[in-house]
Amino acid sequence: GAVVSQHPSRVICKSGTSVKIECRSLDFQATTMFWYRQFPKQSLMLMATSNEGSKATYEQGVEKDKFLINHASLTLSTLTVTSAHPEDSSFYICSARSIAGGPQFGPGTRLTVL
Amino acid sequence: AQTVTQSQPEMSVQEAETVTLSCTYDTSENNYYLFWYKQPPSRQMILVIRQEAYKQQNATENRFSVNFQKAAKSFSLKISDSQLGDTAMYFCAYSTDSWGKLQFGAGTQVVVTP
Repeated sequence: GAVVSQHPSRVICKSGTSVKIECRSLDFQATTMFWYRQFPKQSLMLMATSNEGSKATYEQGVEKDKFLINHASLTLSTLTVTSAHPEDSSFYICSARSIAGGPQFGPGTRLTVL
Repeated sequence: AQTVTQSQPEMSVQEAETVTLSCTYDTSENNYYLFWYKQPPSRQMILVIRQEAYKQQNATENRFSVNFQKAAKSFSLKISDSQLGDTAMYFCAYSTDSWGKLQFGAGTQVVVTP
């Protein structure tokens, strides 16, 4: 139980386009989800907290207009990278607040911006 | 602000041997949660072990155990009887609740050799 999925697993896009990444809790309801970013050989950095039915809370230094987060249902949060640039290339990971025993992580999405 | 420090970038251990990973943290909170996560080459984050700060007893999960020293703000992970499948990046993480947002250390790459 407490499985989190992400789609797509990999995406390549051109500079200036927008990309949407989905995070789903498959067998539980998640009122809160978290989005992290991980650069190669580095740690995970929290970007924002996604709350169902309300606005996301962004960490300091994260551009909310660039990284749009929508949490429209109890099982789905989306992260949209708008006007993507090569420096946005990274590994994006979501986690869901679960009482099953610690945050449950999705498998991650590798974004490459050409 | 809370910080999590992992001072060992890489550790190598032979199969069946024991390795200990160090983690220190800084917080002014009295109650909090500490985690060790494993990230294998697939990059899926896997919870290894969790410790509640109000519990004095060190957490144990099969071959994995922690040495939690609250006064010293230290949270080390011991991997016993190391197996090849233990090769991964290990992250120490801190949270003010058991299922919420995490603050990660820089990580320690563990390499298990035959």
